[in-house]
Amino acid sequence: QEQLVQSGAEVKQPGASVKVSCKASGNSLSASYIHWVRQAPGQGFEWMGRINPNSGGTKYAQKFQGRVTITRDTSISTAYMELSGLRSDDTAVYYCARAPQWLILRVDHWGQGTLVTVSS
Amino acid sequence: DIQMTQSPSSLSASVGDRVNISCRASQDISTFLSWSQQKPGKAPKLLIYSASTLETGVPSRFSGSGSGTHFSFTISSLQPEDIATYFCQQYDTVPLTFGGGTKVETK
Repeated sequence: QEQLVQSGAEVKQPGASVKVSCKASGNSLSASYIHWVRQAPGQGFEWMGRINPNSGGTKYAQKFQGRVTITRDTSISTAYMELSGLRSDDTAVYYCARAPQWLILRVDHWGQGTLVTVSS
Repeated sequence: DIQMTQSPSSLSASVGDRVNISCRASQDISTFLSWSQQKPGKAPKLLIYSASTLETGVPSRFSGSGSGTHFSFTISSLQPEDIATYFCQQYDTVPLTFGGGTKVETK
C-alpha cells in the first residue's frame, strides 16, 4: 500500500520560507512522480508543481515560478516543497501526491496534508 | 489552463438516493479525468480514473462516465459513509486542474 507521510503544521511570518517534507513508503519514490497541491481554507485545489525523483527534473505552475522549489532525497525516499516570500494568502493545507512513472499526471495517492499558516 | 466546472456545488440527499454530479472541461481531455472523495480533515481518496474505471477496493455503487468535455459521477445508492466532498480533476496536461467540488450532505 502506497503511503505518503508529510511533516507537521507550520506557522510562519510574512516574507519567510517554509519547507514541507513528504516521505514515501518503501521504495515507491523511484516508481513515482511527486506532485504538490495546495488547498486554501474553503477553496479548491491548486497545483504547484511536480518532480521526477529519478532525475530530479521539475515542472512548476507559472503562478509559483521563482517562489517554489521542489527537491528530493532518494536516500531517504523523501520529497520536499519549499515556498519562499510567504504572504497571508499562502495560508493553506499543502499536499504531496504521487503518480506512477508510467502515467505521470494521474495522481492516485495523497499525503495527509500539512497546514501552513502565515501570520504576523 | 484547462478550466474544470463542476455542478452542483452542494446537494442534499437521503440515504438510498441516487446522486449525480457533473464536470465540464474547457477543452477536450479525452478520458483523462478522475473523481476523488475528501472527508473533513482528511486527504483526498481516488475513486475513479480514466473517467470510468473504478479504483481497486472502491464500492461498485460509485461510477463515472463521459469523454471529451462532459463527464458525470454517480452514487447509485447513497450511504451514510458517503457524506463528503467530491471533486473532479483533469490529468491531460499540466497544470493539473480541479473542479470546485460538490459537498454531499444527508437530508
